Amino acid sequence: NAGVTQTPKFQVLKTGQSMTLQCAQDMNHNSMYWYRQDPGMGLRLIYYSASEGTTDKGEVPNGYNVSRLNKREFSLRLESAAPSQTSVYFCASSESGDYTEQFFGPGTRLTVL
Amino acid sequence: RKEVEQDPGPFNVPEGATVAFNCTYSNSASQSFFWYRQDCRKEPKLLMSVYSSGNEDGRFTAQLNRASQYISLLIRDSKLSDSATYLCVGVTGTASKLTFGTGTRLQVTL
Repeated sequence: NAGVTQTPKFQVLKTGQSMTLQCAQDMNHNSMYWYRQDPGMGLRLIYYSASEGTTDKGEVPNGYNVSRLNKREFSLRLESAAPSQTSVYFCASSESGDYTEQFFGPGTRLTVL
Repeated sequence: RKEVEQDPGPFNVPEGATVAFNCTYSNSASQSFFWYRQDCRKEPKLLMSVYSSGNEDGRFTAQLNRASQYISLLIRDSKLSDSATYLCVGVTGTASKLTFGTGTRLQVTL
């Protein structure tokens, strides 16, 4: 039982390049989330998917798109990376949407030059 | 004003000491709270849930004061392995929308 996995672990991009961060969970959870963590800012929600087939914007969605590919997988895409998107990205999942614990993946450290 | 505020620390305490962190929240609609622990360069992991008046798990006690809108975490008999950043998290509404504080760093020393 791997829990929540993320790929890649590290990535360096040049401004304007695109990339997709992958996330998968094997806990049969309904809800999945993407966060970014920056020094002094705490974790901030980018997008979430309350259930398969639905996605919604979080606090900081600009510059990102998401796809809930199936119940297990939730990807985050940066279409045209900017230096302001340099951050650590965490994917998380939870059993349901209401007041339940979220389990986090190990994170992706992204640097945009 | 941030929705969830924490003292960033660091709190430097000797092994065996008791240490307490407070966290204040501004959204009175927050239904429940969590304390997560985050080790350096790792993902956050749930430490405790705080649903009503409080919760206790071994050396850890979390309390919620709705009147004053704060949550506390008490760690007794601190261990070196308790060194980490502790994140206070508020839960508001459905879809488990969590609001994270910026964390309080604890360093336990010999």
